[in-house]
Amino acid sequence: AQSVTQLDSQVPVFEEAPVELRCNYSSSVSVYLFWYVQYPNQGLQLLLKYLSGSTLVESINGFEAEFNKSQTSFHLRKPSVHISDTAEYFCAVSDLENTGFQKLVFGTGTRLLVSP
Amino acid sequence: DGGITQSPKYLFRKEGQNVTLSCEQNLNHDAMYWYRQDPGQGLRLIYYSQIVNDFQKGDIAEGYSVSREKKESFPLTVTSAQKNPTAFYLCASRGRTDTQYFGPGTRLTVL
Repeated sequence: AQSVTQLDSQVPVFEEAPVELRCNYSSSVSVYLFWYVQYPNQGLQLLLKYLSGSTLVESINGFEAEFNKSQTSFHLRKPSVHISDTAEYFCAVSDLENTGFQKLVFGTGTRLLVSP
Repeated sequence: DGGITQSPKYLFRKEGQNVTLSCEQNLNHDAMYWYRQDPGQGLRLIYYSQIVNDFQKGDIAEGYSVSREKKESFPLTVTSAQKNPTAFYLCASRGRTDTQYFGPGTRLTVL
């Protein structure tokens, strides 16, 4: 069975500082990896995903994540955060061997709090 | 606009009452999903449907029921058998890619 661990439930950071949100997964098969962002009382929005190819993936708003197979990690980073990045971030994994039914397994989320 | 809509945004239920949450998508996606979100927890899968007239239980299906009579619609009924229904409910859909897209959610509160 797959699992996702987001060790940090909350990460406080000052505006314009760099941030890293950690995500580790456990799976016996090859996986797809996702980061979703959730603003208060809203649904989840896809931030970025790793399916194959380059291990470094980027979003349009400056976030990036690197797939590290040996460390089974998919940490999310941003070199300079903005107040508007305050939200909850979820890491999720799905396996490649069952693509007829894609089951996403989610981590418990990391709340990013950006202060001035 | 293409997307997923959920209604209502807020729903209040009395104990012993069944309520139905609506989920509609106009993305022409075959697969649809229902998740439950509780504070401090990730999302947990309630039910999913890969095609019309077919659906399967997820990890926490007890106390819930669904139907999939149309490709665009996947309503979720929270029955009186669900002992702790207060939560945020999210619907998602997926097309031919490997990405699930989420609706805005319904917050259900039991009075």
